[in-house]
Amino acid sequence: AQRVTQPEKLLSVFKGAPVELKCNYSYSGSPELFWYVQYSRQRLQLLLRHISRESIKGFTADLNKGETSFHLKKPFAQEEDSAMYYCALSEGETSGSRLTFGEGTQLTVNP
Amino acid sequence: GAVVSQHPSWVICKSGTSVKIECRSLDFQATTMFWYRQFPKQSLMLMATSNEGSKATYEQGVEKDKFLINHASLTLSTLTVTSAHPEDSSFYICSARGGLKNSPLHFGNGTRLTVT
Repeated sequence: AQRVTQPEKLLSVFKGAPVELKCNYSYSGSPELFWYVQYSRQRLQLLLRHISRESIKGFTADLNKGETSFHLKKPFAQEEDSAMYYCALSEGETSGSRLTFGEGTQLTVNP
Repeated sequence: GAVVSQHPSWVICKSGTSVKIECRSLDFQATTMFWYRQFPKQSLMLMATSNEGSKATYEQGVEKDKFLINHASLTLSTLTVTSAHPEDSSFYICSARGGLKNSPLHFGNGTRLTVT
């Protein structure tokens, strides 16, 4: 069965510092990985997905199949990045179907 | 952009009653909708996958007779929690996906259900 693990429930950094939110997965097939973000009092929204290989709001994530990881990184954190971040895995043929979520990491960026 | 509206945002009901939660895609047709449940400080757990015009597919351990899902149109799916009990108190979130390949998921704002 597929599983997504985010080892850090809480992560606190200072503004301007680099940040890395860890995500590891287990899945026997060829997964699609996503990062979702939930800002305070807002709905969950897609941040980025590995097939797009893009940078959103300065965040990037590289799928490492050897290490089965999809860590989210940003070189210089901003206060507005404070939010709950969820790593998710899709096992479907089309992107976005049946997501398995990690437990989430609450990121706090201090001034 | 695409918006998913979920209603109500919160509801309090008595044990034994039923509660209906609506999930609407406002500006796109959602061939597939997903219902999640989230306990405090825990992750989202998929409950069921709802396909327009067909029966929902429930995840293992989810009682289909207790959590009735109806996806009668391309813009509306409903989740009815029947004979609710305090242990059903949770945060329920729906998400919807359009019919195009690689369509992203859009999430509703969630419904906080409290059963007294």
